[in-house]
Amino acid sequence: AQSVSQHNHHVILSEAASLELGCNYSYGGTVNLFWYVQYPGQHLQLLLKYFSGDPLVKGIKGFEAEFIKSKFSFNLRKPSVQWSDTAEYFCAVNGDNQGGKLIFGQGTELSVKP
Amino acid sequence: GAGVSQSPSNKVTEKGKDVELRCDPISGHTALYWYRQSLGQGLEFLIYFQGNSAPDKSGLPSDRFSAERTGGSVSTLTIQRTQQEDSAVYLCASSLRTGGSYEQYFGPGTRLTVT
Repeated sequence: AQSVSQHNHHVILSEAASLELGCNYSYGGTVNLFWYVQYPGQHLQLLLKYFSGDPLVKGIKGFEAEFIKSKFSFNLRKPSVQWSDTAEYFCAVNGDNQGGKLIFGQGTELSVKP
Repeated sequence: GAGVSQSPSNKVTEKGKDVELRCDPISGHTALYWYRQSLGQGLEFLIYFQGNSAPDKSGLPSDRFSAERTGGSVSTLTIQRTQQEDSAVYLCASSLRTGGSYEQYFGPGTRLTVT
């Protein structure tokens, strides 16, 4: 069965620090990969996605993620975080024969200190 | 344009009662998904609908859960004989079509508390 693992449950950073959130998945076929973000009191929204092509994808607000197929990983990065990045981040996977359903990781809560 | 809307935003119910949760997808979106977000379980897929095709019910946790989608638009998730472990935020999402290349847009959720 598909599964997604996010290694960090809660990350606390100071502004301007660099961020990397880990995400690993298990699935034997082709995957589509996503990072979603949920700001306090707001809906889940898409941060970035990978379907094919360049394994380094760029999303909104300066975020990027790299798909490393050999490691089954899709880590999220940002070189310099801001207080406004405080949110919960979810990695999600969609397998090639899974219709559109997303399998989510447990989420990582990011707190950025001003 | 309006996003995905859900009602009610909060629902408190007694154990054993039935509840209905409603989702209005984005107009023109043919795919509709239900997920559940709870402490300890994270975000779990429940069910999805694509056009007139049979829904994928593979994520429904028990036969107390059911969902329907009328006229290819509004969807209702019904939980019968609610249990305390059903307490969670129920999220609805819609996309233009199913398939990983189509972005899913999420609603604000319905927070269900079973007492």
